[in-house]
Amino acid sequence: DAGVTQSPTHLIKTRGQHVTLRCSPISGHKSVSWYQQVLGQGPQFIFQYYEKEERGRGNFPDRFSARQFPNYSSELNVNALLLGDSALYLCASSFSLSITGHSGNTIYFGEGSWLTVV
Amino acid sequence: AQSVSQHNHHVILSEAASLELGCNYSYGGTVNLFWYVQYPGQHLQLLLKYFSGDPLVKGIKGFEAEFIKSKFSFNLRKPSVQWSDTAEYFCAVKVSGSARQLTFGSGTQLTVLP
Repeated sequence: DAGVTQSPTHLIKTRGQHVTLRCSPISGHKSVSWYQQVLGQGPQFIFQYYEKEERGRGNFPDRFSARQFPNYSSELNVNALLLGDSALYLCASSFSLSITGHSGNTIYFGEGSWLTVV
Repeated sequence: AQSVSQHNHHVILSEAASLELGCNYSYGGTVNLFWYVQYPGQHLQLLLKYFSGDPLVKGIKGFEAEFIKSKFSFNLRKPSVQWSDTAEYFCAVKVSGSARQLTFGSGTQLTVLP
């Protein structure tokens, strides 16, 4: 089975531009979360979507937005890019809305999209 | 808000040495705890997780972690490391019952020398 897939894997953008990152969750998973991982730091939560609705939002400016499609894939959009937006953007999927101790309900991460803003 | 501290930023060990990576969290309520590993060029993978019950949790690849509530700690251990354990290790916490997102520590880079 395919894991969480993200595209593009690498991209370079100029300050002020807009970027769209895409994520396909594991088949059957209805929850998609987005994390930002700046070099030298751990991932930081941006959004969670479940059944096409936003279910959680981290401490990020309104320049960051996301959506989830009927097939449960998701897009992360960032407007007016800043140099500080340079990071690895991770998508994670899970079957249910909440993370539980059940062995079948685990978050799976994609390999991420490396964004460099110059 | 909860936070996670990993005080060891880079650990260098020789093969067969024992490993212990520290993880402390700050939150007064019930938490769920995780350790993830990120091998070079690969995605984050779950090593183990603690939700309830026995505070000594065994995970994949011979790793284990012990939850000590009084110390707000969830240290990762392995009796004998291998060169293939070279990776970055992240501790994460989730507030039980409410928040759905993970709060990660800054990570510990482990280098195992052959």
